[in-house]
Amino acid sequence: GAGVSQSPSNKVTEKGKDVELRCDPISGHTALYWYRQSLGQGLEFLIYFQGNSAPDKSGLPSDRFSAERTGGSVSTLTIQRTQQEDSAVYLCASSLATGLAGNTIYFGEGSWLTVV
Amino acid sequence: AQKITQTQPGMFVQEKEAVTLDCTYDTSDPSYGLFWYKQPSSGEMIFLIYQGSYDQQNATEGRYSLNFQKARKSANLVISASQLGDSAMYFCAMREGRYNQGGKLIFGQGTELSVKP
Repeated sequence: GAGVSQSPSNKVTEKGKDVELRCDPISGHTALYWYRQSLGQGLEFLIYFQGNSAPDKSGLPSDRFSAERTGGSVSTLTIQRTQQEDSAVYLCASSLATGLAGNTIYFGEGSWLTVV
Repeated sequence: AQKITQTQPGMFVQEKEAVTLDCTYDTSDPSYGLFWYKQPSSGEMIFLIYQGSYDQQNATEGRYSLNFQKARKSANLVISASQLGDSAMYFCAMREGRYNQGGKLIFGQGTELSVKP
């Protein structure tokens, strides 16, 4: 697609439920990133994919968080047993292959998650 | 240790004036890239400008320019002729290259810019 597409754009869920957030990167971008942004805060790195593998999962805050990517394209971020502190905007981004500092990372519009 | 520091939580500027948003960074990697993003109230992250560590000249993109001072490890964003639509949060970010830490961007805490009419 023309840009990074994320769905849903907004999600309200009850505490303890599981949620799935989807990201469709820019066509041809092999690198895909997930970030989290709490209200009024900066961006917190969660995980990145190169193709279907995830060499860096260091930002995932707990084992309730997982992500996968299939076909080198769409990625799903899953949060199990959601907690109120998981409420945030989850931003997906993509770029051409990593290894070059100059490859710009383009962001989607985010999925706003509210846990009540 | 914080790698990207933006010391100005909020800034005000008069419409049509220039404004400088500060950013300092810390890395031991000789190869890195510096980015500025704009985030309006709608939440999208808009790429503005990029500066590579080996670039000899300061980057410019329209009204945006990056004042890159490598020895001081600073990469300040200059917005000339501010417009009301420039009111937004601005993030400085760094991507380290040679050791390929996943190529992820590391962000500062942001500066909220308000343009006054």
